[in-house]
Amino acid sequence: GQQLNQSPQSMFIQEGEDVSMNCTSSSIFNTWLWYKQEPGEGPVLLIALYKAGELTSNGRLTAQFGITRKDSFLNISASIPSDVGIYFCAGLPFTGNQFYFGTGTSLTVIP
Amino acid sequence: SQTIHQWPATLVQPVGSPLSLECTVEGTSNPNLYWYRQAAGRGLQLLFYSVGIGQISSEVPQNLSASRPQDRQFILSSKKLLLSDSGFYLCAWSPRDGQPQHFGDGTRLSIL
Repeated sequence: GQQLNQSPQSMFIQEGEDVSMNCTSSSIFNTWLWYKQEPGEGPVLLIALYKAGELTSNGRLTAQFGITRKDSFLNISASIPSDVGIYFCAGLPFTGNQFYFGTGTSLTVIP
Repeated sequence: SQTIHQWPATLVQPVGSPLSLECTVEGTSNPNLYWYRQAAGRGLQLLFYSVGIGQISSEVPQNLSASRPQDRQFILSSKKLLLSDSGFYLCAWSPRDGQPQHFGDGTRLSIL
């Protein structure tokens, strides 16, 4: 299936810094999801977005559904070591019924 | 609440041997069920999905097959494993099409 473009591919940041990552597509999407995967485990759903322009928070995480419906953004404020993992976006196309997944952003937090 | 279980957590198999990975969901009925493979910790590749008992859609032709003998049970199988079948296999469920998927903890499969 189609893969979404996720950037950056990897990030190395100092504890306490803010993090920004994004996901883009050439198609219009109806729903955007953000997942976090820790080593050896399955992805865990963090945030779901259903409307263009929607801004949703989950603790220190904030995600936005892009106005163009072709992108989404995830921000993590004041990063901590347990934020380490791979963050995946997933999008539901306007004309489809299955989600496409991004290639992931690997986050490393240096204490 | 709903839970999803996958087993085994890790598996080491010789080339040419058969495979059976099992996934069950609790706390919901008639879920959509999915099998994914993840290589090198990145990139989820959808292998199979099912919207009901006995209904299987294959996304990628390969050495694997899936079955759904019961409403909340999804099985991934192979008659003869290849080296290229190594990877991290994830099962997921969703209430219906278009709803967020929830993943199990995965099975790490190593082929020797």
